[in-house]
Amino acid sequence: ILNVEQSPQSLHVQEGDSTNFTCSFPSSNFYALHWYRWETAKSPEALFVMTLNGDEKKKGRISATLNTKEGYSYLYIKGSQPEDSATYLCALRSDSGYSTLTFGKGTMLLVSP
Amino acid sequence: NAGVTQTPKFQVLKTGQSMTLQCAQDMNHEYMSWYRQDPGMGLRLIHYSVGAGITDQGEVPNGYNVSRSTTEDFPLRLLSAAPSQTSVYFCASTSRDRGNTIYFGEGSWLTVV
Repeated sequence: ILNVEQSPQSLHVQEGDSTNFTCSFPSSNFYALHWYRWETAKSPEALFVMTLNGDEKKKGRISATLNTKEGYSYLYIKGSQPEDSATYLCALRSDSGYSTLTFGKGTMLLVSP
Repeated sequence: NAGVTQTPKFQVLKTGQSMTLQCAQDMNHEYMSWYRQDPGMGLRLIHYSVGAGITDQGEVPNGYNVSRSTTEDFPLRLLSAAPSQTSVYFCASTSRDRGNTIYFGEGSWLTVV
């Protein structure tokens, strides 16, 4: 079982603040890195799938970067809004086999108006 | 598009009872899987399937059975429910493509008393 670490565990920011979270993984076991946004009572919503070292992806105010050599990915939210409040999950896919997807425990973000 | 559909959304069981969580996807995905989400833990893989007629165990398979008679359906059976199986269950599907998103159902909240 691979160790996928997310930090911080939780975060409370004010509306308008920018914020970022980290996902760390064993660099020797990289195939793809997924980011999800999960609101309670809803299904996790896919944000990004990242496969190449140096990848940068953006979706509205949310962006992500990937460093496979050192084993980390950052998720950034610019100008946080209350509707960004959710748990952000990363998941490492370590080879082409489907069973090898390992999730981190998530970062819970709360944005206050 | 329906995507991944799970039923039921909520269920209360007595210890020792059996039940089946249903999962269906309409995206013709080869891969389907079941995860459980517990407080303080990441999503943990219970069972998965890489195609009709093929299933395999994930990280936490004990107490659960699965079958994959069609591409679309992947039911999860609890054989004799235990309080330790109180959890939120997510069904997911994806294709073999490395960059493809994993799609989740909306979750099934199960309480075993």
